[in-house]
Amino acid sequence: GNSVTQMEGPVTLSEEAFLTINCTYTATGYPSLFWYVQYPGEGLQLLLKATKADDKGSNKGFEATYRKETTSFHLEKGSVQVSDSAVYFCALSGSDKIIFGKGTRLHILP
Amino acid sequence: DVKVTQSSRYLVKRTGEKVFLECVQDMDHENMFWYRQDPGLGLRLIYFSYDVKMKEKGDIPEGYSVSREKKERFSLILESASTNQTSMYLCASSPNGGPGSGKLFFGSGTQLSVL
Repeated sequence: GNSVTQMEGPVTLSEEAFLTINCTYTATGYPSLFWYVQYPGEGLQLLLKATKADDKGSNKGFEATYRKETTSFHLEKGSVQVSDSAVYFCALSGSDKIIFGKGTRLHILP
Repeated sequence: DVKVTQSSRYLVKRTGEKVFLECVQDMDHENMFWYRQDPGLGLRLIYFSYDVKMKEKGDIPEGYSVSREKKERFSLILESASTNQTSMYLCASSPNGGPGSGKLFFGSGTQLSVL
């Protein structure tokens, strides 16, 4: 069945560092891929998405490219801020539901 | 602004109690979902609904039931709460196009503790 695997955290970086959070998936068909973010004390919110191979989703300085050949959708940001501290979830759309990875907690130090 | 509202932020109940978690959305969305979130396990789908009075089991429906009498409201029911149901419960909704096809809008969550 469909599944999502993302790197375990926590990930701790200094402000202005480069961020990569890895995500790979297993799916039949051609799912859409998503990154969701959960700030402390809040529910999840959509950060970015890509609907087909080679699409790049971007938002708030974050980017991820849908790579069908490597079944990956890695999240990147060139220069992180303290306000980016949160839990990040990779997800894919199945036929009847969205499947989430286990989440990666990110800590940014000032 | 789009809004999914969960009735309680924190809830403490005793083992064996019947527990109701309420969720209301104001976006006229077709699909609504209940997830639980546990450390190291991520989000797990309990139940979802793609129409009024319709419900479908998710990955972990045991010990739970749901009710959707009106389009905007989706309730999660713990018939007899147990300590292993202590968790963060997240409600979400999405517009039509199939439950797996769209963007999810989440509430802020209810942290339930069962003693």
